[in-house]
Amino acid sequence: SQTIHQWPATLVQPVGSPLSLECTVEGTSNPNLYWYRQAAGRGLQLLFYSVGIGQISSEVPQNLSASRPQDRQFILSSKKLLLSDSGFYLCAWTAGTGNRGLRQPQQFGDGTRLSIL
Amino acid sequence: QKEVEQNSGPLSVPEGAIASLNCTYSDRGSQSFFWYRQYSGKSPELIMFIYSNGDKEDGRFTAQLNKASQYVSLLIRDSQPSDSATYLCAVKKNTGFQKLVFGTGTRLLVSP
Repeated sequence: SQTIHQWPATLVQPVGSPLSLECTVEGTSNPNLYWYRQAAGRGLQLLFYSVGIGQISSEVPQNLSASRPQDRQFILSSKKLLLSDSGFYLCAWTAGTGNRGLRQPQQFGDGTRLSIL
Repeated sequence: QKEVEQNSGPLSVPEGAIASLNCTYSDRGSQSFFWYRQYSGKSPELIMFIYSNGDKEDGRFTAQLNKASQYVSLLIRDSQPSDSATYLCAVKKNTGFQKLVFGTGTRLLVSP
């Protein structure tokens, strides 16, 4: 069965510090991968998605970047964190493309709660 | 107009009642519809998905889709206090990357 791992679960970082959040998927190959952010009391905002190694698309301009160095690994980074980067970060994956992919739900990792001080 | 709209709630129902959660979407090209449950501080978990007009039942949950009205709903029968959570509606279109667009969620409170 497929599983998605995300770490760390919680993180407290000072303003201006770097960030690296990691997500890995097991039990599948060539997944579509996503990073979302959820601010307190708000909806899910898609930050980045990736359809393959080295292929990253950004949804919104921001202080963050993403990379996919391996097929099942997705990394969210920042060189200098801002207070506004606080939130709940979620990694998700889905399988398939075309009509099959259209009916595939996204499965989420457990999330990382990031607090910027 | 938001692509996916949900009433933020809270929707309060007594234990044992039917909870009805609604969602409307703006893009007629939307093809697949998903309901996620999110407990406070946790990540969303998939409850149900529906692609065709009509009803789809899974245990105490029924998803209803009306593409003509651009409306999807989730019914929870015999609501339990453990059903208290935020319910997210999500819609996928067959364009580009088949992005999943989420509503902001409806908070459900089931009182014992």
